[in-house]
Amino acid sequence: GNSVTQMEGPVTLSEEAFLTINCTYTATGYPSLFWYVQYPGEGLQLLLKATKADDKGSNKGFEATYRKETTSFHLEKGSVQVSDSAVYFCALKGYGGATNKLIFGTGTLLAVQP
Amino acid sequence: NAGVTQTPKFQVLKTGQSMTLQCAQDMNHEYMSWYRQDPGMGLRLIHYSVGAGITDQGEVPNGYNVSRSTTEDFPLRLLSAAPSQTSVYFCASSFGDRATEAFFGQGTRLTVV
Repeated sequence: GNSVTQMEGPVTLSEEAFLTINCTYTATGYPSLFWYVQYPGEGLQLLLKATKADDKGSNKGFEATYRKETTSFHLEKGSVQVSDSAVYFCALKGYGGATNKLIFGTGTLLAVQP
Repeated sequence: NAGVTQTPKFQVLKTGQSMTLQCAQDMNHEYMSWYRQDPGMGLRLIHYSVGAGITDQGEVPNGYNVSRSTTEDFPLRLLSAAPSQTSVYFCASSFGDRATEAFFGQGTRLTVV
């Protein structure tokens, strides 16, 4: 079945450091890929998405490229801020019917220190 | 815009009690789902619905019931609460195609003592 594997945290960085959170997936066909962010005490919000191979999703300085050859969707940001501290979830969504479910990785906690 | 609304935000139950977590969306989404979030486990799918009158089990359905009588509402029922059901519960909704994202409620933090 479909699955998502993302790097374990926590990831602790200093402000303005470069961020990479790795995400790889297993799926049949061509899933859509998502990164969600959860700030403390809140629900999940969509950060970015990509729906086909080689697509790059971007938002708020974050980027991720859909790499079918490596089945990866790594999240990157060139310069993190304290306000980026949150839990980040990689997720995939397959085709219709039973495979239309959103499947999540375990989440990566990012802590950015001033 | 209301989006996805979950109630209550917090709840404490005694073992064996029953309760219903409410979820409503105003975006005319056909697809709705319930997840639970536990430390180190990510979000695990409990039940989902692809439209009014249609529900199915997810990854961890035991101890939970759902129904979908309208497009807008998707309540989650705990039949006889157990300490293992202590968790944060999220409701989500989306359109049915694979390219669109899901929208999440703010969550319900449930403690079973």
